[in-house]
Amino acid sequence: QKEVEQNSGPLSVPEGAIASLNCTYSDRGSQSFFWYRQYSGKSPELIMFIYSNGDKEDGRFTAQLNKASQYVSLLIRDSQPSDSATYLCAVRNTGGFKTIFGAGTRLFVKA
Amino acid sequence: KAGVTQTPRYLIKTRGQQVTLSCSPISGHRSVSWYQQTPGQGLQFLFEYFSETQRNKGNFPGRFSGRQFSNSRSEMNVSTLELGDSALYLCASSLAGTTNEKLFFGSGTQLSVL
Repeated sequence: QKEVEQNSGPLSVPEGAIASLNCTYSDRGSQSFFWYRQYSGKSPELIMFIYSNGDKEDGRFTAQLNKASQYVSLLIRDSQPSDSATYLCAVRNTGGFKTIFGAGTRLFVKA
Repeated sequence: KAGVTQTPRYLIKTRGQQVTLSCSPISGHRSVSWYQQTPGQGLQFLFEYFSETQRNKGNFPGRFSGRQFSNSRSEMNVSTLELGDSALYLCASSLAGTTNEKLFFGSGTQLSVL
């Protein structure tokens, strides 16, 4: 079982729709959860982070965390073609000094 | 404020050779992590350094090694290169590598092994 699992996609949504990206993790000791966006040929950049159960909103992005189910998700509202990228879920545990990444979900937003 | 700087940007080597990659973190950042990224495997954790000490290591063979200097700059070395080592090697820095810290990535070094 991989430590962080994501559906590789591609996920295709029309412009203006909501894109929903999901991630599960195996280590119950995980404390911090991140979403990174990576455009083709570029390095990952942080877009959201969440540490507590529930929802966290930042502009068009909402991160959701359910530690009991070991599940993290990212919602992108009013999706734009510029949101087309690979989205990486990342998990960090206490004292582990490492961040583990999922393989990423490719998102295509059609104009 | 300058970002994370990785050099060189591209490298072409042949099997059996060794290679050294360099990473300069954001000023004030003392934690440096290294990742290997391939299309099939995604981002794989190599190791993490803080104050010149390796605090964690991923599941890679001993051919992969690294070090960190007193100015927080880090290098990673791959000896006896294999074709499968062809990948994008990414370095990321953070303040102290604590639980809630976010990683800031460099542009990476694209290594091709022929």
